Amino acid sequence: DIQMTQSPSTLSASVGDSVTITCRASQSISSWLAWYQQKPGKAPKLLIYKASSLESGVPSRFSGSGSGTDFTLTISSLQPDDFATYYCQQYNSYFWTFGQGTKVEIK
Amino acid sequence: EVQLLESGGGLVHPGKSLRLSCATSGFTFSTHAMTWVRQAPGRGLEWVSAITGSGGATYYADSVKGRFTISRDNSKNTLYLQMNRLRAEDTAVYYCAKVRRPFTSDAFDIWGQGTVVTVSS
Repeated sequence: DIQMTQSPSTLSASVGDSVTITCRASQSISSWLAWYQQKPGKAPKLLIYKASSLESGVPSRFSGSGSGTDFTLTISSLQPDDFATYYCQQYNSYFWTFGQGTKVEIK
Repeated sequence: EVQLLESGGGLVHPGKSLRLSCATSGFTFSTHAMTWVRQAPGRGLEWVSAITGSGGATYYADSVKGRFTISRDNSKNTLYLQMNRLRAEDTAVYYCAKVRRPFTSDAFDIWGQGTVVTVSS
């Protein structure tokens, strides 16, 4: 099984900050990586697919990069609506795995 | 508009069974793989099971293999999850989710609102 490791687990930041979350796969997944945002009591929302492709309707301050085993999600100029938990997910096959999540908190 | 609506959750005793349903609309259901993802209270997301568009192939996480069965009825645009021999650790919100592209594995672009399953005596 492919394991996904996110860091940090929690991140404290202020509105306007640029933040970066990292995700590492236990083996190469090419670019088959997605990022999701989840707010309390809500379903996850797809932000990024294929490592760097922005889902329709997602603000351009979200960006993704990486390939192979190392990936990043960057939020430039953090907005109040961005305080949430973020998950990476690999889809190298029909067995998906998620990272453990990164909670972005208000500093 | 693409919509997914789960139902069937509830309180069940350990060892008992429950069947979840996910009614869909707004897309060509039979061409997309569909999945179930769960989230235990205060925990992260866990992929549970998936089924190809035709229903010809199914996939399960080790934690549910042999106890859960995923199926679909393409004539009703509905996805199911039969959960048998339930355990306390199966307590979670269960989401159904649509795989983004047809005929292949991909990210999950549309999610239902979730249905709560509680396993307790």
